[in-house]
Amino acid sequence: DAEITQSPRHKITETGRQVTLACHQTWNHNNMFWYRQDLGHGLRLIHYSYGVHDTNKGEVSDGYSVSRSNTEDLPLTLESAASSQTSVYFCASSEPSMGAGYNEQFFGPGTRLTVL
Amino acid sequence: QKEVEQNSGPLSVPEGAIASLNCTYSDRGSQSFFWYRQYSGKSPELIMSIYSNGDKEDGRFTAQLNKASQYVSLLIRDSQPSDSATYLCAVNWSSYKLIFGSGTRLLVRP
Repeated sequence: DAEITQSPRHKITETGRQVTLACHQTWNHNNMFWYRQDLGHGLRLIHYSYGVHDTNKGEVSDGYSVSRSNTEDLPLTLESAASSQTSVYFCASSEPSMGAGYNEQFFGPGTRLTVL
Repeated sequence: QKEVEQNSGPLSVPEGAIASLNCTYSDRGSQSFFWYRQYSGKSPELIMSIYSNGDKEDGRFTAQLNKASQYVSLLIRDSQPSDSATYLCAVNWSSYKLIFGSGTRLLVRP
């Protein structure tokens, strides 16, 4: 069955370290998204991609980067981890074939990141 | 500033009752609307999508959309304790992006 996986599921790191969170989907979806979820803020969009070599900033992109070298993967990198980046991170994907108004996004299981 | 507003709850209903969850949005140009269910410690799971004014039913779930009032709701009939979760409303606001509400926590009392 097609799915989205994220790794690691839990990560503890120290301030200033570079961290990469992996997202892999087997839906063959062109669209992929990274969100963070914090109490009181809901899901906030970090970065997104509409295809290979396409990346775009979301509403909370500072301190994060992504790259898209193939359809299946969109890794999220925290260049220099900060305590404010302690959060739960979700990857999602969607298929644009039905048009921009139809955008059912499907989520991975999430990564809980703690920055000490 | 595009916004999606939900009452944070908790909304508490007895088992077997109808749970009514509400969501308002600010962007009149929004075309598609979604309800996600999120259990504690889990990822959001899509349960309903609606694109046209009116009602859409799927099993015990009914989504209602009123674009003129910028209002979308989710009704859960015959609520079960297993329905206890946080329900997220999401609205498309640009191309393929969604904006999410903060969610309403639903508690179904046995």
